[in-house]
Amino acid sequence: GAVVSQHPSRVICKSGTSVKIECRSLDFQATTMFWYRQFPKQSLMLMATSNEGSKATYEQGVEKDKFLINHASLTLSTLTVTSAHPEDSSFYICSARDQGRDTQYFGPGTRLTVL
Amino acid sequence: RKEVEQDPGPFNVPEGATVAFNCTYSNSASQSFFWYRQDCRKEPKLLMSVYSSGNEDGRFTAQLNRASQYISLLIRDSKLSDSATYLCVVTRFMDTGRRALTFGSGTRLQVQP
Repeated sequence: GAVVSQHPSRVICKSGTSVKIECRSLDFQATTMFWYRQFPKQSLMLMATSNEGSKATYEQGVEKDKFLINHASLTLSTLTVTSAHPEDSSFYICSARDQGRDTQYFGPGTRLTVL
Repeated sequence: RKEVEQDPGPFNVPEGATVAFNCTYSNSASQSFFWYRQDCRKEPKLLMSVYSSGNEDGRFTAQLNRASQYISLLIRDSKLSDSATYLCVVTRFMDTGRRALTFGSGTRLQVQP
């Protein structure tokens, strides 16, 4: 079946540094990818929609200058958490839509810990 | 009011029991409905889609009531491996015309031997 990968799976960084997370669709092309964040014991919250070749669409309350999204190709979207702070520590999950199957597949997630 | 509401549980049931989860959604324009399963510290995985006519997949039965904006999941003959968090998910069209998934906060199920 379709696979979506994320890298890294886990990252620990110091406050003030930037962290880049990659999301790849491995066997299908994804014009749209989604970035979610999940805090402990809470639901997945959509942060932004990543559109290939155009600007990302951010959900209300998500700072676009802090969470930079680049969807440079049909198989890769990146999320960069700039100037990370401890409150940014969370589980970041991407998903990619396979238009052909009209199905959304999730990556395995990236656990970010900011010290 | 949250867009998708679920009882957080936990539901503690013995092996072999039948358990039912409910979910309500507030946006009457929601298009599609799903149940996802999420294991601890893992990504969510699609369990099944939910249709108005009801659908069954083995021990799992899902139902949708559009009039009441209510979705249910029934698990029969619970197994230890069913222990997980079950997420109710609805789709909505965004301003961009694209669809996005909206997740409930999940219902935790713990099946005990």
